[in-house]
Amino acid sequence: NAGVTQTPKFRVLKTGQSMTLLCAQDMNHEYMYWYRQDPGMGLRLIHYSVGEGTTAKGEVPDGYNVSRLKKQNFLLGLESAAPSQTSVYFCASSYLTGGLLGGYTFGSGTRLTVV
Amino acid sequence: GNSVTQMEGPVTLSEEAFLTINCTYTATGYPSLFWYVQYPGEGLQLLLKATKADDKGSNKGFEATYRKETTSFHLEKGSVQVSDSAVYFCALRADSGYSTLTFGKGTMLLVSP
Repeated sequence: NAGVTQTPKFRVLKTGQSMTLLCAQDMNHEYMYWYRQDPGMGLRLIHYSVGEGTTAKGEVPDGYNVSRLKKQNFLLGLESAAPSQTSVYFCASSYLTGGLLGGYTFGSGTRLTVV
Repeated sequence: GNSVTQMEGPVTLSEEAFLTINCTYTATGYPSLFWYVQYPGEGLQLLLKATKADDKGSNKGFEATYRKETTSFHLEKGSVQVSDSAVYFCALRADSGYSTLTFGKGTMLLVSP
């Protein structure tokens, strides 16, 4: 019962470094999402995908890129990390758009610190 | 645009107290409404939902009624437990196209024995 798996769970980056966060789901969900969670800000959508090979911008896409080459994987990339990208990142997936039927299934998060 | 406003926390209660967490929304049309819960160190989990006006969502003793006239979806529980301590998020899904969830900022609930 893996659900949504995020790797890594923790990471410290230096300003200017790059990294990729991996999200994998085993539920055959069509839709996948990347959110960031910051104190007092709730969850804000970075990018999302409505199917394999598709991506779209969310509310706060600047500084991030994504790819969905396989249906089960959704990658979030930071090309040149900045301290403002220090956050907890959550991946989610859903069967229907917006989680209408069964809601979103979330991963356990990646805590990223940029120094 | 779509938005969700929740009461600020933390909400601190004693065990067996009555809980209300207020949630109001702004959206066109007929959005679907959700409550998610986040326990410490975990991702969010769906708690309950309502997809049309006057629907009541319920789960694990929690309830919320979709009130279109007041654009509200307040979360209630009659008797909270220490294990209910978590952050609660209200969210909406607009009723158009490829719609994603819009979340409120979250309300922390702390229940003491």
